[in-house]
Amino acid sequence: AQTVTQSQPEMSVQEAETVTLSCTYDTSESDYYLFWYKQPPSRQMILVIRQEAYKQQNATENRFSVNFQKAAKSFSLKISDSQLGDAAMYFCAFFNYNFNKFYFGSGTKLNVKP
Amino acid sequence: DTEVTQTPKHLVMGMTNKKSLKCEQHMGHRAMYWYKQKAKKPPELMFVYSYEKLSINESVPSRFSPECPNSSLLNLHLHALQPEDSALYLCASSQDALGTGSGANVLTFGAGSRLTVL
Repeated sequence: AQTVTQSQPEMSVQEAETVTLSCTYDTSESDYYLFWYKQPPSRQMILVIRQEAYKQQNATENRFSVNFQKAAKSFSLKISDSQLGDAAMYFCAFFNYNFNKFYFGSGTKLNVKP
Repeated sequence: DTEVTQTPKHLVMGMTNKKSLKCEQHMGHRAMYWYKQKAKKPPELMFVYSYEKLSINESVPSRFSPECPNSSLLNLHLHALQPEDSALYLCASSQDALGTGSGANVLTFGAGSRLTVL
């Protein structure tokens, strides 16, 4: 079974500071994709960053970067220089080729304080 | 065009009504998805269409009936719903549900249809 766990239901960060959101997953697969999606109050899910499991190099997208630890099955998201617009629900997701499905974590609500 | 468009944005219906949710994308994506999302919960997969054929049905009750008329359109027909079916219904698409290319497995979501069943 594939499971994705986000252990932090809610987090807060001061504007311009750095915050790290945690995600762990469980799979017996060796090849898969991992994602972070953001869902602001406007409710549209937006892709933040994507990581292929076969790539050792951690993905980065501007202020967003991941720490991918394949052996530990950990995939955390670091947001640098946090902005008010970063306030949203963040979902970690896992894509399994064999089942052709995305599995989502329970989400972490990020608050950004001015 | 890099969007997935969903209509209507809001829908209120009675338990005896028949209504439909619509989803459209013009990105050439060959996989389309319906998700159901309750407040403060992650999206739950309902259906997947791959190359216009239903490939996954997550044991969804028959009061929800998906339809994929062509590669750009996805409908969700609703009939005899229950109040507990009230939720945000998200449509998504991906380039290729089974592919391995750089964009193959990235889900692009629509803004959702907020459904309230009275």
